[in-house]
Amino acid sequence: KAGVTQTPRYLIKTRGQQVTLSCSPISGHRSVSWYQQTPGQGLQFLFEYFSETQRNKGNFPGRFSGRQFSNSRSEMNVSTLELGDSALYLCASSSMTGGGTEAFFGQGTRLTVV
Amino acid sequence: GESVGLHLPTLSVQEGDNSIINCAYSNSASDYFIWYKQESGKGPQFIIDIRSNMDKRQGQRVTVLLNKTVKHLSLQIAATQPGDSAVYFCAENSDNYGQNFVFGPGTRLSVLP
Repeated sequence: KAGVTQTPRYLIKTRGQQVTLSCSPISGHRSVSWYQQTPGQGLQFLFEYFSETQRNKGNFPGRFSGRQFSNSRSEMNVSTLELGDSALYLCASSSMTGGGTEAFFGQGTRLTVV
Repeated sequence: GESVGLHLPTLSVQEGDNSIINCAYSNSASDYFIWYKQESGKGPQFIIDIRSNMDKRQGQRVTVLLNKTVKHLSLQIAATQPGDSAVYFCAENSDNYGQNFVFGPGTRLSVLP
Protein backbone atom coordinates (compact mmCIF):
# COMPACT_ATOMS: atom_id res chain seq x y z
CA LYS A 1 0.00 0.00 0.00
CA ALA A 2 1.49 3.33 -1.00
CA GLY A 3 2.11 5.86 1.74
CA VAL A 4 1.18 9.51 1.92
CA THR A 5 2.57 11.40 -1.06
CA GLN A 6 3.31 15.09 -1.00
CA THR A 7 4.32 17.19 -3.97
CA PRO A 8 6.48 19.01 -4.63
CA ARG A 9 9.24 18.06 -2.20
CA TYR A 10 10.96 21.42 -2.42
CA LEU A 11 9.74 24.85 -3.38
CA ILE A 12 11.27 28.33 -3.45
CA LYS A 13 8.95 31.30 -3.65
CA THR A 14 9.25 35.05 -3.37
CA ARG A 15 7.58 37.15 -0.71
CA GLY A 16 4.08 38.16 -1.77
CA GLN A 17 3.56 35.18 -4.05
CA GLN A 18 1.14 32.37 -3.37
CA VAL A 19 1.78 28.65 -3.30
CA THR A 20 -0.24 25.45 -3.54
CA LEU A 21 0.93 22.18 -2.02
CA SER A 22 -0.58 18.81 -2.74
CA CYS A 23 -1.16 15.69 -0.64
CA SER A 24 -2.39 12.28 -1.69
CA PRO A 25 -3.42 10.21 1.35
CA ILE A 26 -3.11 6.49 1.83
CA SER A 27 -5.72 4.68 -0.22
CA GLY A 28 -8.96 4.41 1.75
CA HIS A 29 -8.06 7.17 4.20
CA ARG A 30 -10.60 9.98 4.29
CA SER A 31 -9.02 12.33 6.81
CA VAL A 32 -6.18 14.60 5.78
CA SER A 33 -4.46 16.96 8.20
CA TRP A 34 -1.82 19.59 7.53
CA TYR A 35 0.96 20.68 9.85
CA GLN A 36 3.69 23.30 9.71
CA GLN A 37 7.09 22.39 11.14
CA THR A 38 9.71 25.00 12.00
CA PRO A 39 12.78 24.82 14.23
CA GLY A 40 11.36 27.51 16.48
CA GLN A 41 7.72 26.46 16.80
CA GLY A 42 7.93 22.74 16.20
CA LEU A 43 4.98 20.92 14.67
CA GLN A 44 1.80 22.97 14.60
CA PHE A 45 -1.61 21.90 13.37
CA LEU A 46 -3.01 23.88 10.45
CA PHE A 47 -6.30 22.18 9.56
CA GLU A 48 -8.01 18.88 8.94
CA TYR A 49 -10.30 17.81 6.12
CA PHE A 50 -12.70 14.92 6.12
CA SER A 51 -15.09 14.09 3.29
CA GLU A 52 -14.28 17.37 1.54
CA THR A 53 -15.15 19.45 4.63
CA GLN A 54 -12.82 21.31 6.92
CA ARG A 55 -13.44 19.78 10.31
CA ASN A 56 -10.79 21.40 12.47
CA LYS A 57 -8.64 24.48 12.15
CA GLY A 58 -5.53 25.56 14.00
CA ASN A 59 -4.46 29.03 14.94
CA PHE A 60 -3.11 30.30 11.63
CA PRO A 61 -4.09 33.39 9.65
CA GLY A 62 -6.59 33.28 6.83
CA ARG A 63 -3.75 33.33 4.29
CA PHE A 64 -3.54 29.59 4.94
CA SER A 65 -6.36 27.65 3.36
CA GLY A 66 -7.02 24.21 2.05
CA ARG A 67 -9.46 21.96 0.34
CA GLN A 68 -10.13 18.30 -0.19
CA PHE A 69 -11.38 16.59 -3.29
CA SER A 70 -13.82 13.71 -3.66
CA ASN A 71 -10.91 11.25 -4.01
CA SER A 72 -9.59 12.51 -0.61
CA ARG A 73 -6.59 14.24 -2.16
CA SER A 74 -5.97 17.57 -0.50
CA GLU A 75 -4.29 20.83 -1.33
CA MET A 76 -3.23 23.66 0.88
CA ASN A 77 -2.69 27.19 -0.31
CA VAL A 78 -0.74 30.01 1.24
CA SER A 79 -1.34 33.46 -0.19
CA THR A 80 0.79 36.58 0.14
CA LEU A 81 3.80 34.64 1.34
CA GLU A 82 5.93 36.00 4.16
CA LEU A 83 9.49 35.09 5.07
CA GLY A 84 8.15 33.46 8.23
CA ASP A 85 6.16 30.98 6.17
CA SER A 86 9.38 29.17 5.33
CA ALA A 87 8.87 25.74 6.85
CA LEU A 88 8.37 22.06 6.25
CA TYR A 89 4.70 21.46 5.51
CA LEU A 90 3.52 18.00 6.43
CA CYS A 91 0.40 16.17 5.52
CA ALA A 92 -1.00 13.28 7.53
CA SER A 93 -3.76 10.88 6.63
CA SER A 94 -5.89 8.61 8.76
CA SER A 95 -8.76 6.24 8.29
CA MET A 96 -10.84 7.84 11.04
CA THR A 97 -12.79 4.76 11.95
CA GLY A 98 -13.71 6.43 15.22
CA GLY A 99 -12.02 8.42 17.92
CA GLY A 100 -8.40 9.42 17.62
CA THR A 101 -6.69 7.11 15.19
CA GLU A 102 -3.24 6.57 13.77
CA ALA A 103 -2.09 9.41 11.58
CA PHE A 104 0.55 8.68 8.95
CA PHE A 105 2.73 11.43 7.56
CA GLY A 106 4.19 12.13 4.17
CA GLN A 107 7.75 13.30 3.54
CA GLY A 108 6.69 16.92 3.55
CA THR A 109 7.17 19.89 1.26
CA ARG A 110 10.05 22.17 2.14
CA LEU A 111 8.96 25.73 1.35
CA THR A 112 11.53 28.49 1.30
CA VAL A 113 10.33 32.07 0.97
CA VAL A 114 12.95 34.57 -0.18
CA GLY B 1 19.58 17.27 6.19
CA GLU B 2 16.90 19.64 7.42
CA SER B 3 17.06 20.88 10.97
CA VAL B 4 14.06 19.68 12.93
CA GLY B 5 14.87 21.65 16.03
CA LEU B 6 17.89 23.73 16.86
CA HIS B 7 17.86 23.34 20.64
CA LEU B 8 16.16 20.06 21.32
CA PRO B 9 16.91 18.12 24.46
CA THR B 10 19.29 15.34 23.55
CA LEU B 11 19.57 11.85 24.92
CA SER B 12 22.77 9.96 24.19
CA VAL B 13 22.83 6.22 24.75
CA GLN B 14 25.27 3.45 24.06
CA GLU B 15 24.36 0.99 21.33
CA GLY B 16 22.66 -2.00 22.92
CA ASP B 17 21.45 -0.11 25.99
CA ASN B 18 17.82 0.73 26.64
CA SER B 19 16.55 4.25 25.99
CA ILE B 20 13.80 6.10 27.81
CA ILE B 21 12.35 9.23 26.26
CA ASN B 22 9.94 11.29 28.31
CA CYS B 23 7.13 13.65 27.44
CA ALA B 24 4.91 15.85 29.56
CA TYR B 25 1.60 16.50 27.89
CA SER B 26 -0.54 19.52 28.48
CA ASN B 27 -4.21 18.63 28.28
CA SER B 28 -5.77 16.45 30.96
CA ALA B 29 -8.63 15.78 28.54
CA SER B 30 -6.29 14.16 25.99
CA ASP B 31 -7.31 10.57 25.45
CA TYR B 32 -5.10 9.35 22.64
CA PHE B 33 -1.33 9.56 22.26
CA ILE B 34 1.17 8.69 19.58
CA TRP B 35 4.96 8.51 19.53
CA TYR B 36 6.63 9.49 16.27
CA LYS B 37 10.19 9.15 15.05
CA GLN B 38 11.56 11.70 12.62
CA GLU B 39 14.80 11.23 10.76
CA SER B 40 16.55 14.04 8.98
CA GLY B 41 14.81 14.95 5.73
CA LYS B 42 11.80 12.74 6.39
CA GLY B 43 8.31 13.09 7.75
CA PRO B 44 7.38 11.76 11.20
CA GLN B 45 7.05 7.98 11.29
CA PHE B 46 4.39 6.35 13.49
CA ILE B 47 5.96 4.17 16.20
CA ILE B 48 3.29 3.27 18.71
CA ASP B 49 0.07 4.64 20.17
CA ILE B 50 -1.86 4.34 23.42
CA ARG B 51 -5.33 5.31 24.58
CA SER B 52 -6.10 6.82 27.95
CA ASN B 53 -7.84 3.67 29.20
CA MET B 54 -4.44 1.93 29.17
CA ASP B 55 -1.26 2.63 31.07
CA LYS B 56 1.12 0.48 29.07
CA ARG B 57 1.41 -0.83 25.55
CA GLN B 58 4.17 -2.84 23.96
CA GLY B 59 5.35 -3.10 20.40
CA GLN B 60 8.41 -4.52 18.76
CA ARG B 61 11.33 -3.30 20.93
CA VAL B 62 9.24 -0.35 22.11
CA THR B 63 6.99 0.22 25.10
CA VAL B 64 4.87 3.25 25.85
CA LEU B 65 3.87 4.11 29.40
CA LEU B 66 1.12 6.55 30.27
CA ASN B 67 0.68 8.19 33.67
CA LYS B 68 -2.47 10.26 33.56
CA THR B 69 -2.11 11.42 37.15
CA VAL B 70 0.95 13.48 36.32
CA LYS B 71 0.25 13.83 32.58
CA HIS B 72 3.39 11.99 31.59
CA LEU B 73 4.19 9.74 28.69
CA SER B 74 7.36 7.76 28.10
CA LEU B 75 8.80 5.72 25.27
CA GLN B 76 11.17 2.90 26.08
CA ILE B 77 13.34 1.47 23.33
CA ALA B 78 15.02 -1.83 24.10
CA ALA B 79 18.50 -2.66 22.81
CA THR B 80 18.94 0.68 21.08
CA GLN B 81 20.46 0.49 17.61
CA PRO B 82 22.21 3.11 15.44
CA GLY B 83 19.11 3.23 13.24
CA ASP B 84 17.16 4.52 16.23
CA SER B 85 19.01 7.82 16.09
CA ALA B 86 16.38 10.43 15.29
CA VAL B 87 14.12 13.02 16.87
CA TYR B 88 11.19 11.56 18.81
CA PHE B 89 7.92 13.40 19.31
CA CYS B 90 4.94 12.64 21.47
CA ALA B 91 1.57 13.80 20.18
CA GLU B 92 -1.71 14.10 22.06
CA ASN B 93 -5.27 14.25 20.83
CA SER B 94 -8.28 15.32 22.82
CA ASP B 95 -10.87 15.43 20.12
CA ASN B 96 -12.82 12.24 19.66
CA TYR B 97 -14.00 13.48 16.34
CA GLY B 98 -11.04 15.16 14.78
CA GLN B 99 -7.43 14.43 14.05
CA ASN B 100 -5.75 17.59 15.32
CA PHE B 101 -2.74 16.52 17.33
CA VAL B 102 -0.68 18.67 19.66
CA PHE B 103 2.99 17.77 19.43
CA GLY B 104 5.66 17.99 22.09
CA PRO B 105 8.95 19.77 21.34
CA GLY B 106 10.79 16.55 20.59
CA THR B 107 13.86 14.78 21.95
CA ARG B 108 16.92 14.00 19.88
CA LEU B 109 18.19 10.47 20.46
CA SER B 110 21.83 9.90 19.64
CA VAL B 111 23.12 6.33 19.67
CA LEU B 112 26.81 6.01 20.39
CA PRO B 113 28.81 3.10 18.90
